[in-house]
Amino acid sequence: DGGITQSPKYLFRKEGQNVTLSCEQNLNHDAMYWYRQDPGQGLRLIYYSQIVNDFQKGDIAEGYSVSREKKESFPLTVTSAQKNPTAFYLCASSWDSENQPQHFGDGTRLSIL
Amino acid sequence: QKEVEQDPGPLSVPEGAIVSLNCTYSNSAFQYFMWYRQYSRKGPELLMYTYSSGNKEDGRFTAQVDKSSKYISLFIRDSQPSDSATYLCATGGDSNYQLIWGAGTKLIIKP
Repeated sequence: DGGITQSPKYLFRKEGQNVTLSCEQNLNHDAMYWYRQDPGQGLRLIYYSQIVNDFQKGDIAEGYSVSREKKESFPLTVTSAQKNPTAFYLCASSWDSENQPQHFGDGTRLSIL
Repeated sequence: QKEVEQDPGPLSVPEGAIVSLNCTYSNSAFQYFMWYRQYSRKGPELLMYTYSSGNKEDGRFTAQVDKSSKYISLFIRDSQPSDSATYLCATGGDSNYQLIWGAGTKLIIKP
């Protein structure tokens, strides 16, 4: 089955710790995205990537980092600089990034210990 | 003013009713319009994708775009309890590679 796999489903972070959220897709999509979802605020774009080894900051990139070494993988690191990391994180992909519909994974819920 | 406005609800209707969900947007350059359904603790699922003005129908779902008034709608006929979810609208097409998202409307279908 083609799709997007995010892991883990739940993640806990200690103070001062970096954590990495995994996102893998087997849809052969070129573009991948990371969103943060908070209650009542919809989706906010953290980072996106149109091709391998290239990515751009979204609206709320501070405190986050990404890499795109392989077409199918786009991991997100939540660094200790992100002071309010508790949220639902969603990864998405699309055929290309110009207004194509995006397909989502089932998210990772990150909480602070 | 947000670029896409969407009433957060919750909207509660009885089973079998026709549901109308709506968004307004501010940028007249937007040309692509999408509706997603999101169940609790799940990722959004694409329901409808439309380009420019007009209607698009898929089973019990109809998406409608009125570019003159910058208004997009999703109608659900014969609503079922399984339709209970949050519905997100999204739009794009102003030469920016990002989609602009509404905050989502929580829909509750009462049996």
